[in-house]
Amino acid sequence: KQEVTQIPAALSVPEGENLVLNCSFTDSAIYNLQWFRQDPGKGLTSLLLIQSSQREQTSGRLNASLDKSSGRSTLYIAASQPGDSATYLCAVSGANSKLTFGKGITLSVRP
Amino acid sequence: AAGVIQSPRHLIKEKRETATLKCYPIPRHDTVYWYQQGPGQDPQFLISFYEKMQSDKGSIPDRFSAQQFSDYHSELNMSSLELGDSALYFCASSSEREGLYEQYFGPGTRLTVT
Repeated sequence: KQEVTQIPAALSVPEGENLVLNCSFTDSAIYNLQWFRQDPGKGLTSLLLIQSSQREQTSGRLNASLDKSSGRSTLYIAASQPGDSATYLCAVSGANSKLTFGKGITLSVRP
Repeated sequence: AAGVIQSPRHLIKEKRETATLKCYPIPRHDTVYWYQQGPGQDPQFLISFYEKMQSDKGSIPDRFSAQQFSDYHSELNMSSLELGDSALYFCASSSEREGLYEQYFGPGTRLTVT
């Protein structure tokens, strides 16, 4: 059974700092890995999707990397802003496409 | 751009009642997924449909059923509601036929069972 781990559960950083959020998964036979952002009580916003054949994806200040063989992904956020404060969830899918989520990292960016 | 639409956004029901949640996927998306997110929990997969056929099933109680209709919208039917069913229910869609596997989530339906 696939398990996704995100550590730490919470992170607080000052504005402007570059930061890395980590995600690990137990079964490397994944098809895709997707990073989401969730604001309190709100829906999930897809940030980046990395297919298993890819090593990284970039969108604006966000860069996600994937090391499938070691079961790890990182989300890099450059020049963090208070508006980046949210919970970031990592999720992986296999052949059946259903997503298995980590418990998320709650990020707080202090002005 | 059009997004996934879910209705209703909020629903309050009493124990043992029934509830129906609706999901309208992004136009031309052929696959719909349902997830349940309990308070302080990560989303858990319930069930998915591809081209109106059930494609996968997760930890969905027997009291729940779902289907995808000819216009690709989907409904999640929940009967004999229990207090523990209180959660955010998300629908997501993707286009498997076009090889676009990124799942786009709707805003969710918040179900409260009293």
